[in-house]
Amino acid sequence: ILNVEQSPQSLHVQEGDSTNFTCSFPSSNFYALHWYRWETAKSPEALFVMTLNGDEKKKGRISATLNTKEGYSYLYIKGSQPEDSATYLCAFKAAGNKLTFGGGTRVLVKP
Amino acid sequence: DTGVSQNPRHKITKRGQNVTFRCDPISEHNRLYWYRQTLGQGPEFLTYFQNEAQLEKSRLLSDRFSAERPKGSFSTLEIQRTEQGDSAMYLCASSLVRGVHNEQFFGPGTRLTVL
Repeated sequence: ILNVEQSPQSLHVQEGDSTNFTCSFPSSNFYALHWYRWETAKSPEALFVMTLNGDEKKKGRISATLNTKEGYSYLYIKGSQPEDSATYLCAFKAAGNKLTFGGGTRVLVKP
Repeated sequence: DTGVSQNPRHKITKRGQNVTFRCDPISEHNRLYWYRQTLGQGPEFLTYFQNEAQLEKSRLLSDRFSAERPKGSFSTLEIQRTEQGDSAMYLCASSLVRGVHNEQFFGPGTRLTVL
């Protein structure tokens, strides 16, 4: 059983503040690490697919880093806005086709 | 809309009844996945198809669950004799065999409530 964990489970951020949260995953048999954003009543939306140790990816105010040797990834939100409120999911992929998800970090940005 | 669609979006049923959900993947995608998400947890893999072949099933998929993809396009997930523990969000995703690191595109899910 693969263990993918996200912390914290939830966090409240004041509008304009920056924040970050963590995904930890097995450091062996690594193939890719996916980040998704899931807003209520919508489909999970792919943010990043990360494959190489040391990868850094950016999409607007959101960025992510990857450390495959120690088995963690950080997601950063710079200058949080109310529209960033969502659950952020990471998913680990070993060889094979299924994704193993963490429990998610629920972000609430307060105006 | 060319994304993954799922129907119905919500289903309320009584314990013991059978339910069936449908997923329409992105048209050119040959892989289709089913996941289940319960409250406070991340989505858990149930099964996946490549074209019409069901290639992997999770141990979570009990005998009461069956999934089909008869023509390699849409898929159905049936739960027989539903139990309260089946209450969850059922997510469908699709991808290309040669997609970027198996990037999976998700539908909005079907939320099942078993009374």
